[in-house]
Amino acid sequence: DAGVIQSPRHEVTEMGQEVTLRCKPISGHNSLFWYRQTMMRGLELLIYFNNNVPIDDSGMPEDRFSAKMPNASFSTLKIQPSEPRDSAVYFCASSIGQGAITIYFGEGSWLTVV
Amino acid sequence: AQSVTQLDSHVSVSEGTPVLLRCNYSSSYSPSLFWYVQHPNKGLQLLLKYTSAATLVKGINGFEAEFKKSETSFHLTKPSAHMSDAAEYFCVVKGAQKLVFGQGTRLTINP
Repeated sequence: DAGVIQSPRHEVTEMGQEVTLRCKPISGHNSLFWYRQTMMRGLELLIYFNNNVPIDDSGMPEDRFSAKMPNASFSTLKIQPSEPRDSAVYFCASSIGQGAITIYFGEGSWLTVV
Repeated sequence: AQSVTQLDSHVSVSEGTPVLLRCNYSSSYSPSLFWYVQHPNKGLQLLLKYTSAATLVKGINGFEAEFKKSETSFHLTKPSAHMSDAAEYFCVVKGAQKLVFGQGTRLTINP
């Protein structure tokens, strides 16, 4: 079975440019999560969707960040304009059901803003 | 609110010796707890999870963890370390729909 698929795996961009990260969750999963990982702050939940609807975006750092989930099989995380402090690994994850669910992670998008 | 504290940021053991990675949790209700592993330049993989059934949970690659309510702990152990176990390990508690991650413990295996 295909797991959570993220693209691009690596991106280097200049400050001020727009960055779009993409995620395809596991088929049939109804929750999708975007996490950011940095050395300083560890793993932080940015936003999560349930049935394509954003449920909690309190972790989104500022207005430069936006996330969408137009359908059950695709989500984007956009940063515009990007800044060097946005350099991090961005993970997408998905899950199904309620209770002690298992959340499956993609392999991450490694972003460097110079 | 739920939280976890991983007591060691770095653990170093010799190959073939036991591994102990410590985690304490805080939860206002019966928690769901997880251990995830992250190998270098990879995503996170679920090792095991506790869901209020058996307090001793067995996971993949020979790892296990014991839920101790009286100590609010969920330590991860393995009897004999292997070189391939070198990675970052995260203790995680589930709150509502979200996972709350610990800061991670980097496990180094010495030959």
